[in-house]
Amino acid sequence: DQQVKQNSPSLSVQEGRISILNCDYTNSMFDYFLWYKKYPAEGPTFLISISSIKDKNEDGRFTVFLNKSAKHLSLHIVPSQPGDSAVYFCAVATNTGNQFYFGTGTSLTVIP
Amino acid sequence: GAGVSQTPSNKVTEKGKYVELRCDPISGHTALYWYRQSLGQGPEFLIYFQGTGAADDSGLPNDRFFAVRPEGSVSTLKIQRTERGDSAVYLCASSLTGPSSYNEQFFGPGTRLTVL
Repeated sequence: DQQVKQNSPSLSVQEGRISILNCDYTNSMFDYFLWYKKYPAEGPTFLISISSIKDKNEDGRFTVFLNKSAKHLSLHIVPSQPGDSAVYFCAVATNTGNQFYFGTGTSLTVIP
Repeated sequence: GAGVSQTPSNKVTEKGKYVELRCDPISGHTALYWYRQSLGQGPEFLIYFQGTGAADDSGLPNDRFFAVRPEGSVSTLKIQRTERGDSAVYLCASSLTGPSSYNEQFFGPGTRLTVL
């Protein structure tokens, strides 16, 4: 069973515009949500997170939104830069669990 | 400072052979995780160590897979009688303490295993 879904395998955005990456999860017990960024031949690197008590967390150009009723998570990047081109994974976890559940990833290309 | 390192970066083996994959976590991190990433998928949890002990091995797919962390730092993932379906990138991550909302997992670059 896929606990986390990223339905868009790829996304292309013009430099300077907004990138919106989406993620849906199935279990309402999850209470911690993260976004990781991955470049080729490197491991995923942590980008931003949000706990279930919040609906928005902002860090510079990156903002994560959480809609618990819809079990939906999104990452907004504004303005998008060519260096943002990478694969983005969302991940979810419970406060008591031992693992992160990852989505299948969205490959973002920011066109100069 | 040094991040998580994994060796080898690439491993090609034949079906039925035994392989060992090594992970060096960030110094001082007590928690260590192994994940497997198949083509087109996200990382999938295999096992979690807290110190020397495997606190959660529920993600290991079968008894051909085994992992150790004898001194609470370096870990080795061992795969016996490899099968073509074991081909994937094996990722290791570490965190300062145990898994919780506030302990970021730092990932290594992974070992790409190819079973011919």
